[in-house]
Amino acid sequence: DAGVTQSPTHLIKTRGQQVTLRCSPKSGHDTVSWYQQALGQGPQFIFQYYEEEERQRGNFPDRFSGHQFPNYSSELNVNALLLGDSALYLCASSTESDWNTEAFFGQGTRLTVV
Amino acid sequence: AQTVTQSQPEMSVQEAETVTLSCTYDTSENNYYLFWYKQPPSRQMILVIRQEAYKQQNATENRFSVNFQKAAKSFSLKISDSQLGDTAMYFCAFTLNTGTASKLTFGTGTRLQVTL
Repeated sequence: DAGVTQSPTHLIKTRGQQVTLRCSPKSGHDTVSWYQQALGQGPQFIFQYYEEEERQRGNFPDRFSGHQFPNYSSELNVNALLLGDSALYLCASSTESDWNTEAFFGQGTRLTVV
Repeated sequence: AQTVTQSQPEMSVQEAETVTLSCTYDTSENNYYLFWYKQPPSRQMILVIRQEAYKQQNATENRFSVNFQKAAKSFSLKISDSQLGDTAMYFCAFTLNTGTASKLTFGTGTRLQVTL
């Protein structure tokens, strides 16, 4: 079992560009959540996907959008990148039936906006 | 809204010693879960220990144990017999028991350094 995998591991983008980050959940998991972790901070919840729909959303602007595919993998899209979007983006997966046991995290994508 | 506060940005402990990391939280809800996550330099968050708010008994996982004080809204982590591999960022996190997967609210973390 590969666990939660995220790609790419590192990314450098220019201000104003758009970026897509990808996440494959742990085998058997059907719920994917995305978090933004700025340097020196704790992760902040962006949104969660279940059954291909956004179920919960944190306090992030509409520039942040996502998608979940039938195989439960997910994408995070950020439009009109700002310097402040530079952060580690973490994906976490869990099962709806056993959601309160543990959320498994990927190793994250380090996004740098220049 | 729920908040989680970790007031110790950095801690240091010698190998084989015991260290306690502090965490307080604020919520008006009564049914929730609390977690401690470890984030080593590899960046991957790893669950250390989990506590259900309606259980009075403190959770224990090998060398890791918590002191859960619900009335005081305090949730500290004790690491016994510290090992070099325990060096990492430690995050306290909170989630409501909504019956479905819910967001985790994290504190700002405590950087733990285990020294020889």
